[in-house]
Amino acid sequence: DQQVKQNSPSLSVQEGRISILNCDYTNSMFDYFLWYKKYPAEGPTFLISISSIKDKNEDGRFTVFLNKSAKHLSLHIVPSQPGDSAVYFCAYISFSIQGAQKLVFGQGTRLTINP
Amino acid sequence: NAGVMQNPRHLVRRRGQEARLRCSPVKGHSHVYWYRQLPEEGLKFMVYLQKENIIDESGMPKERFSAEFPKEGPSILRIQQVVRGDSAAYFCASSLTGIGEKLFFGSGTQLSVL
Repeated sequence: DQQVKQNSPSLSVQEGRISILNCDYTNSMFDYFLWYKKYPAEGPTFLISISSIKDKNEDGRFTVFLNKSAKHLSLHIVPSQPGDSAVYFCAYISFSIQGAQKLVFGQGTRLTINP
Repeated sequence: NAGVMQNPRHLVRRRGQEARLRCSPVKGHSHVYWYRQLPEEGLKFMVYLQKENIIDESGMPKERFSAEFPKEGPSILRIQQVVRGDSAAYFCASSLTGIGEKLFFGSGTQLSVL
């Protein structure tokens, strides 16, 4: 039961153009989403987040959009650079009955930026 | 990857052996999480520990897997009697506050079971 879905396993974009990575979720109660970036042989690193009280959050070249009615979020990278080539995971914060906060990840999208 | 150290980076075990994965969190962090990534999948939560306490082990298989975070020393994820299906990348993350956003991940241990 995949509660966070990234339906595109891979994406290829020309350097300088916009990269758009998509993520769908199932539960309208989710209220905090994050994007992580992962290079091969490294752990994920936090990129950007958004709260459900917002529909957009921007940090430099990275913008995350949240469409609550469609249960959809997207990450835009403009302009795309070769160093952006990585696997991108969307995630939400889940709360357990023990009070623990933990991340639930999507399957990831491998982004390749072509020179 | 701000200072979470995992070792070994690669671990090869034969079926039935034990695997021990170590994680030293960022200095001063007392919250440790273990995640597992199977090939072509996202990271799946396994267990959340604070010093000397297991807070949430809901993602960990009931048998053969155990985790600890002692008062002194690294956190250990232990897998007994490994099987081929345990082959995966195991990531440790640490946090200062226990808030999900502020997780710092290590580079992972790639476990291969022959």
